[in-house]
Amino acid sequence: AQSVSQHNHHVILSEAASLELGCNYSYGGTVNLFWYVQYPGQHLQLLLKYFSGDPLVKGIKGFEAEFIKSKFSFNLRKPSVQWSDTAEYFCAVIPNSGGYQKVTFGTGTKLQVIP
Amino acid sequence: DTAVSQTPKYLVTQMGNDKSIKCEQNLGHDTMYWYKQDSKKFLKIMFSYNNKELIINETVPNRFSPKSPDKAHLNLHINSLELGDSAVYFCASSQAGQGPPLHFGNGTRLTVT
Repeated sequence: AQSVSQHNHHVILSEAASLELGCNYSYGGTVNLFWYVQYPGQHLQLLLKYFSGDPLVKGIKGFEAEFIKSKFSFNLRKPSVQWSDTAEYFCAVIPNSGGYQKVTFGTGTKLQVIP
Repeated sequence: DTAVSQTPKYLVTQMGNDKSIKCEQNLGHDTMYWYKQDSKKFLKIMFSYNNKELIINETVPNRFSPKSPDKAHLNLHINSLELGDSAVYFCASSQAGQGPPLHFGNGTRLTVT
């Protein structure tokens, strides 16, 4: 079974600071990777996804993530955060051979951006 | 034009009661899911269901049961509610083979007193 680790539980940044949230997974085979965002009181929304191809993936709202297979990592980055980025961020993994019923979410990273 | 809608948004009830949460999707997806998000924001899949197969997470108590009247609906019924059932429950849907991600509903915050 796969697992996902997000080591940063709570990150506090000032506006315009750069962001990097860590995500590491463990699984012996090929995976599909996702980052979801959950704004306060709202549902999860997809930020970006990696299925194959270019390991540097660009998503919505200026976010990007890089898949480094050798490190089993899929870190989320944004060069300059805004107050509106305050939210909880979840990394998720699906084995390439499985459907969404096999998705595993990380425990989330709470990002707080201070104006 | 909400894609995945859940009702109610908030549900407060006493221990021992039976309650249901409804979910509807208008995306034409063939698979629906129920997730539980606990107080620590940990998301755990409870069920996935399409018209062919119900997959149950074996850690889910049998007090929880999904009911699907049709392809666009997957309701969650909970018997004999316990304090530990307090959480936010998210419904989601997806379409097999399309690659698009899960589409989540807005969640139902269940509080058991």
